[in-house]
Amino acid sequence: EMQLVESGGGLVQPGGSLTLSCVVSGFSLSNSEINWVRQAPGRGLEWVSYISTSGSDVYYRDSVKGRFTLSRDNANNSLYLQLSSLRAEDTAIYYCVSGDYYYDVWGQGTLVTVSS
Amino acid sequence: VMTQSPATLSVSPGETATLSCWASQSFTDNLAWYQQTPGQAPKLLISGVSTRATGIPARFSGSGSGTEFTLTISGLQSEDSAVYYCQQYNDWPPTFGPGTRVEIK
Repeated sequence: EMQLVESGGGLVQPGGSLTLSCVVSGFSLSNSEINWVRQAPGRGLEWVSYISTSGSDVYYRDSVKGRFTLSRDNANNSLYLQLSSLRAEDTAIYYCVSGDYYYDVWGQGTLVTVSS
Repeated sequence: VMTQSPATLSVSPGETATLSCWASQSFTDNLAWYQQTPGQAPKLLISGVSTRATGIPARFSGSGSGTEFTLTISGLQSEDSAVYYCQQYNDWPPTFGPGTRVEIK
């Protein structure tokens, strides 16, 4: 069974940093394009970032460019989303999801709360 | 920009729910639907406007083109109570609609 498991969320002060991890099992990460999608409390879904199978192509939504960094370690079936200069509006559940343009497998999400 | 209507739909068990999704620009195929039940991650229902994902029952069907798309849930069951999101992947970045909440009467 294909699974993605996120971790690393928590409470962080505005301006702070956090690194989210996503570990995959049941399929080969090296063959999978991965995205992060977030959902603010009680709100809808918002695409955040994409990484290609090799990691050579990485894209971000405008509001996180320069603050978030997505990377992957295919050998360890893991991905990392580094969040920095965090703002209150970054508060959300962050989901690691597989797929190129639409998202067929979702992790359970990890909650990031940015608050003083 | 994707919009959805209605915001909330209340339907009796066994009836049919019709959910609408509109795009600000016309396209043909690149639309997906997701179901999110309370406390859970979203689940892919349909991609390519009308192709059901693995394991999705046939009572979920998608249609449409241009700027108007529809998700139809036939024979509504209690477990269909959820928020449903459409998502376009015709333009970058991919964007989601605000969702339609389906309640079972």
